[in-house]
Amino acid sequence: SQQGEEDPQALSIQEGENATMNCSYKTSINNLQWYRQNSGRGLVHLILIRSNEREKHSGRLRVTLDTSKKSSSLLITASRAADTASYFCATDSMDSNYQLIWGAGTKLIIKP
Amino acid sequence: KAGVTQTPRYLIKTRGQQVTLSCSPISGHRSVSWYQQTPGQGLQFLFEYFSETQRNKGNFPGRFSGRQFSNSRSEMNVSTLELGDSALYLCASSLIGGRALGNEQFFGPGTRLTVL
Repeated sequence: SQQGEEDPQALSIQEGENATMNCSYKTSINNLQWYRQNSGRGLVHLILIRSNEREKHSGRLRVTLDTSKKSSSLLITASRAADTASYFCATDSMDSNYQLIWGAGTKLIIKP
Repeated sequence: KAGVTQTPRYLIKTRGQQVTLSCSPISGHRSVSWYQQTPGQGLQFLFEYFSETQRNKGNFPGRFSGRQFSNSRSEMNVSTLELGDSALYLCASSLIGGRALGNEQFFGPGTRLTVL
C-alpha cells in the first residue's frame, strides 16, 4: 500500500512560473524524501527532510514538512523545461522497518 | 564513481517463463533494494539485501525472489511469469540503508519487462 499521496496528479505550467506539489502520508515518519523521474536520467534523489525539520532549501527547490498535518510540499521556483518530470515523495518510518514507501507521483509539464 | 547498472535493459518473456535480472550497485554501497514500478501502482517495494542477507521484504508472492553476492551485486528472479508482472523493475543502492539516517537511494535505469 502507498504511504504518500501526491497532489496534484498532474500539473502543467509555463516556463518561469513556480510549481508546487504536495504529499500527504499516513503514519509517523522518520524522514521524507523527494525524487524526480524523467526518461533521460531515471529516478534521482532531490532532497531529504527529517521529521524534526520544517523547511529545507536546495537551489531552486524548497521543501516544507508539517508533521501535525502529515504533509509536505515541494516548491520549484523559476521552472525550466528540464524540470519536466514526475516527482515522487517517499517516507520511511519505524512502521515500515525504515523502508521507503512511495507515493504515486505528480507529473509536471513545463511549457516553453 | 560509476552509477548503478542494471541488465538487461529490456526483456520480453511469455507467461510461465522465468526471468533473472541483475543489478550492480555503486562501489562501496552495501544495501540493494528492488522495486516494481507500474503506471497504476507506482513504486512497490520488493525486497532489500544487505551483506548478502535479505533484510526486508515487501508484499509480493514467493515467485519473486532475490539474492546478493559478496561483491554486493544482486539478482532478482521471477518464476512462472504472469501478464501482471509486466513492469519496470528498478534497483537502488545505498551506503547502508535501513535505519541509517538519510537512506538516500541511488537508482539504476531499470529493466523493462514485458510478459506476453
